[in-house]
Amino acid sequence: GESVGLHLPTLSVQEGDNSIINCAYSNSASDYFIWYKQESGKGPQFIIDIRSNMDKRQGQRVTVLLNKTVKHLSLQIAATQPGDSAVYFCAEANAGKSTFGDGTTLTVKP
Amino acid sequence: DAGVIQSPRHEVTEMGQEVTLRCKPISGHDYLFWYRQTMMRGLELLIYFNNNVPIDDSGMPEDRFSAKMPNASFSTLKIQPSEPRDSAVYFCASSPQRADYQPQHFGDGTRLSIL
Repeated sequence: GESVGLHLPTLSVQEGDNSIINCAYSNSASDYFIWYKQESGKGPQFIIDIRSNMDKRQGQRVTVLLNKTVKHLSLQIAATQPGDSAVYFCAEANAGKSTFGDGTTLTVKP
Repeated sequence: DAGVIQSPRHEVTEMGQEVTLRCKPISGHDYLFWYRQTMMRGLELLIYFNNNVPIDDSGMPEDRFSAKMPNASFSTLKIQPSEPRDSAVYFCASSPQRADYQPQHFGDGTRLSIL
């Protein structure tokens, strides 16, 4: 079946370092990809997205990279802060319907 | 702007009881999604609506689950009868028209515990 999976379930980084969270997807028909952040007791919150006709998109302290050849997506967070500690999900979308990966827990050490 | 509003935030009930979860999407959003989140299965799409019409309910686990959207500002997810394995966090999300390139906006969920 088609699925979106994350390579690492947990990631621990030092405050101020850069973080990279990876995601693999399997549906080559997916044309839209989204990263969400979920804090404890809250719903997923949109961070950044990218369409399949792009390979890189930058936001404020975050960058998403898309490699369609190997069906890989990554989220880079610059100068990671304690407030970035959360679970991060990638999602692939096709015709308005999203499939979510398993999530990576990011812990930022002070 | 008000986000997606879900109620109740927490629900504890005994198995066999009927459970109704409620959702108010963001005004003007045409798509509404219901998800279930568990440690074992992650975030699963149960059903979604476009302009109040159910489009895909293939994720609804059993006939015990039903969802309605009587108008653009309200949706319910009902479980009858409830079972302990239904315990999870249920999220509602909405997105604007042309949801194919729009992120979803999530509520803060209903944490459901079936005893």
